[in-house]
Amino acid sequence: AQTVTQSQPEMSVQEAETVTLSCTYDTSESDYYLFWYKQPPSRQMILVIRQEAYKQQNATENRFSVNFQKAAKSFSLKISDSQLGDAAMYFCAYRMGGATNKLIFGTGTLLAVQP
Amino acid sequence: DGGITQSPKYLFRKEGQNVTLSCEQNLNHDAMYWYRQDPGQGLRLIYYSQIVNDFQKGDIAEGYSVSREKKESFPLTVTSAQKNPTAFYLCASSWTNTDTQYFGPGTRLTVL
Repeated sequence: AQTVTQSQPEMSVQEAETVTLSCTYDTSESDYYLFWYKQPPSRQMILVIRQEAYKQQNATENRFSVNFQKAAKSFSLKISDSQLGDAAMYFCAYRMGGATNKLIFGTGTLLAVQP
Repeated sequence: DGGITQSPKYLFRKEGQNVTLSCEQNLNHDAMYWYRQDPGQGLRLIYYSQIVNDFQKGDIAEGYSVSREKKESFPLTVTSAQKNPTAFYLCASSWTNTDTQYFGPGTRLTVL
């Protein structure tokens, strides 16, 4: 069975600095998708970034980028120039390719941004 | 505005009562999903629906029921058979059953 592990329950970063959140996953599949979602205090889940496993190039979205290491089954999120609004719970999620759209979530990392 | 709405935001229920959580989307998405979130855990899938009048159980379907009579609506009923219903419930939708899922604002259910 596929699993997603986020080993950092909490992280802290200074405003304007860079922080990296870790995520590892376990799967025997070759076709899958990985996601980072942000959950601010409002608790609405917001898509941050998405990575297709067949793509070697790391996905980027403005200040957010990933380091996707397929062989190591690692999918870390880097937030550059951190802002106070980045403070939230961040969840890593895995989805197998094909007809199913079941998301498997990690337990989350709570990010604090210090002014 | 296009989006996913969930109501109510907060819901209180007495033990032994059924309660229905609403989820509506005007994004014209085909697929819809219900997740449950407990403290210290990620989201877990309760039910999902790929098309109207069809739905499948997720990982924790026991004690829950759903219907999908309209494309834009996917209500979740928490029945008295659900042993520990107090949780945060999130609804999501996607264009197809293989596309990125987008989430609603959630409903906090508390059993008194």
